[in-house]
Amino acid sequence: DSGVTQTPKHLITATGQRVTLRCSPRSGDLSVYWYQQSLDQGLQFLIQYYNGEERAKGNILERFSAQQFPDLHSELNLSSLELGDSALYFCASSVDEGAEAFFGQGTRLTVV
Amino acid sequence: GESVGLHLPTLSVQEGDNSIINCAYSNSASDYFIWYKQESGKGPQFIIDIRSNMDKRQGQRVTVLLNKTVKHLSLQIAATQPGDSAVYFCAEVDNYGQNFVFGPGTRLSVLP
Repeated sequence: DSGVTQTPKHLITATGQRVTLRCSPRSGDLSVYWYQQSLDQGLQFLIQYYNGEERAKGNILERFSAQQFPDLHSELNLSSLELGDSALYFCASSVDEGAEAFFGQGTRLTVV
Repeated sequence: GESVGLHLPTLSVQEGDNSIINCAYSNSASDYFIWYKQESGKGPQFIIDIRSNMDKRQGQRVTVLLNKTVKHLSLQIAATQPGDSAVYFCAEVDNYGQNFVFGPGTRLSVLP
């Protein structure tokens, strides 16, 4: 157990809908990262937060947004969902930027 | 469990042999590198890391080698065991620690 908690574990929703994925980082970790993992791609970096502040953006679509709250948990919002958004979404946390990141078990999103 | 990257390069080794998994990275400014192991249905799990001021680091049964001249990273696993079967990813981290860029992954299959 990495100490990073993601909910829900599985999510099935229809195209056009909006979902929110939640991540609780390890206790004491200030940095949170979101990744998307599809079958035909590796781990794609989406976005990173540090102590509530957005620090870096990767290949994140405009339909997606995220935030990190004062209690350091983070949410990834995915809207106007398309079939191609079906993937595993991972959250990782680290105590600081540039430190090893620990991953949650992921949320498996299926868009039908 | 979840299959990751159905078309990943695969390395097959006999149980008890040593394994070497290679990774090329792209950014010469990256100064921190991590190897992760991902088992089916689970999130990536930290194995070992190395900073750019080192060229070798050893852990328990694992060794990471870094060649900055050719931007190459390798993971050596000694006395490979069935439990080592997984997909292995290298990740490079930029010098701000804001972006973990993952390689495409290699599937390690341990033969009895």
